[in-house]
Amino acid sequence: DIQMTQSPSAMSASVGDRVTITCRASQGISTYLAWFQQKPGKVPQRLIYTVSSLQSGVPSRFSGSGSGTEFTLTISSLQPEDLATYYCLQEKSYPRTFGQGTKVEIK
Amino acid sequence: EVQLVESGGGLVQPGGSLRLSCAASGFMFTDYYMDWVRQAPGKGLEWIGRTRDKTNSYTTEYAASVKGRFTIARDDSKNSVYLQMNSLKSEDTAVYYCVRDKFSGWGQGTLVTVSS
Repeated sequence: DIQMTQSPSAMSASVGDRVTITCRASQGISTYLAWFQQKPGKVPQRLIYTVSSLQSGVPSRFSGSGSGTEFTLTISSLQPEDLATYYCLQEKSYPRTFGQGTKVEIK
Repeated sequence: EVQLVESGGGLVQPGGSLRLSCAASGFMFTDYYMDWVRQAPGKGLEWIGRTRDKTNSYTTEYAASVKGRFTIARDDSKNSVYLQMNSLKSEDTAVYYCVRDKFSGWGQGTLVTVSS
């Protein structure tokens, strides 16, 4: 199975800060990587697919990059509504596997 | 608009069975693979399985944690996908989400609690 490891597990940042979350795959997954946002008490929503394609309706402050085994999700200017847990997911092989999540809090 | 509505969750004893249903609307159901994802209380997301479409013979994939106990099926005539859960364990306690292919649409989830 492909293991997905996110870092950090939690973080706190101020409104307006640039936030970067990293996801590492235990083996190469090409561009089969997606990011999800789960706000407290809500259903997960896809933010980004195939590494860097932005889901329709997602603010442009979210972006994704990377290839192979290392990927990043960047929030260019953190907003209060970005309080959430973020998950990466590999879609290269079965079983599909998620990262353990990164909880983003607002200072 | 993609709509996925799960039902069938509830309290079940260890070793028991439960069948979850997911009714889909707002898209051409027959064209899509469908997945199930679960989330234990306070924990992260876990993919548990997939059913492919008719073109791909409705074949399925499962996570090791549920293989042999859970079965995913679909009924294209009813735009529905199902998760049959047998031999349930306490660690199966979770919110179960029905998810459209590419994880592009999620249901609201249904809670399954396995406890005596």
